[in-house]
Amino acid sequence: GQNIDQPTEMTATEGAIVQINCTYQTSGFNGLFWYQQHAGEAPTFLSYNVLDGLEEKGRFSSFLSRSKGYSYLLLKELQMKDSASYLCAVSLSRGNTPLVFGKGTRLSVIA
Amino acid sequence: DTEVTQTPKHLVMGMTNKKSLKCEQHMGHRAMYWYKQKAKKPPELMFVYSYEKLSINESVPSRFSPECPNSSLLNLHLHALQPEDSALYLCASSQETGFYGYTFGSGTRLTVV
Repeated sequence: GQNIDQPTEMTATEGAIVQINCTYQTSGFNGLFWYQQHAGEAPTFLSYNVLDGLEEKGRFSSFLSRSKGYSYLLLKELQMKDSASYLCAVSLSRGNTPLVFGKGTRLSVIA
Repeated sequence: DTEVTQTPKHLVMGMTNKKSLKCEQHMGHRAMYWYKQKAKKPPELMFVYSYEKLSINESVPSRFSPECPNSSLLNLHLHALQPEDSALYLCASSQETGFYGYTFGSGTRLTVV
């Protein structure tokens, strides 16, 4: 089976930096995605890693180590609006195979 | 057009009703997906259509019936649902080559009474 693990909940302070980890053990790997989802809304795409290393996009960065089956999402200069669930998802192969989602990490940003 | 459009946004239906959820995209994506999401849970895959053919059915009860009339449209027909089917229903699409990430629709919040 496919296994994607993330912490269930995290709390961080406004203005701080938070790192959300994701480990995966899957039958295949063709990329790792991070999505943000506010309560009651659809997930929105944040980042995509297919090669090892760091991808930076403004306040958000994502890192991948394929040999370790590990990724993290780094959020800098946290804002209250960053309170949301963050979903780690793995693409198992090329083509139209469904993404496999982790259970998501609920991040609460406090003042 | 870089969007996936879902209608309606909210739906309340009785257990004897028949209703349909609609999903539309004009990005030329050839894969479309239905997901069900309960509160505080990740999306659960229901169906996958690839080139207008059903390629994956994740053992979904027959009271949910998907349909893909053409490459841009995806429907989910609902009949005799149960209150536990109340959830957010998400449609997504993706392309076959290059970037495989999903584009999600805004979802339909379904309540079965």
